[in-house]
Amino acid sequence: KQEVTQIPAALSVPEGENLVLNCSFTDSAIYNLQWFRQDPGKGLTSLLLIQSSQREQTSGRLNASLDKSSGRSTLYIAASQPGDSATYLCAAMDSNYQLIWGAGTKLIIKP
Amino acid sequence: DGGITQSPKYLFRKEGQNVTLSCEQNLNHDAMYWYRQDPGQGLRLIYYSQIVNDFQKGDIAEGYSVSREKKESFPLTVTSAQKNPTAFYLCASNPQGAAGYTFGSGTRLTVV
Repeated sequence: KQEVTQIPAALSVPEGENLVLNCSFTDSAIYNLQWFRQDPGKGLTSLLLIQSSQREQTSGRLNASLDKSSGRSTLYIAASQPGDSATYLCAAMDSNYQLIWGAGTKLIIKP
Repeated sequence: DGGITQSPKYLFRKEGQNVTLSCEQNLNHDAMYWYRQDPGQGLRLIYYSQIVNDFQKGDIAEGYSVSREKKESFPLTVTSAQKNPTAFYLCASNPQGAAGYTFGSGTRLTVV
């Protein structure tokens, strides 16, 4: 059974730092991996989608990588800003096209 | 703009009452999903539908019911059989297969 883990559960860094959020999964048979952002009391906003045949995707200051062989994905945020403060969720799509979710990393960027 | 609309944003339920959460999408997506989110936990799948007039139970379907009479609509009913319904409910859709998901803004349900 696929399990997705996100470490750390919470992270607080000063503004301007580059940071990495981690997502690991136990079964490499995934169709894709998607990163989302969730602000308090809000829905999920899709950040990046990496298909299983891809190694990385970039959008602005965000870069997500995927290594299926090691069961890992990372979300890199460059030059962090207070507006980046949110909970970041990763989800792996399994062989039934269902998303398996991590519990999220709560990120706080201090001004 | 295309997207998913969930309503209401906040909903209060009395003990023993059924309530229905609305989810409407104008993305022309075939598949729709309902998730429940509790603090500190990952999202859990309640029900999903890959085509009109068909739906499947997810991991925590007990105490919930759905219908899919139209492609754009996938309402969720929280029945009195759901003993702990207080949670944040999220609706999502995707075109089918290995495509990315799009989410609505959620409904927060509280039992009073």
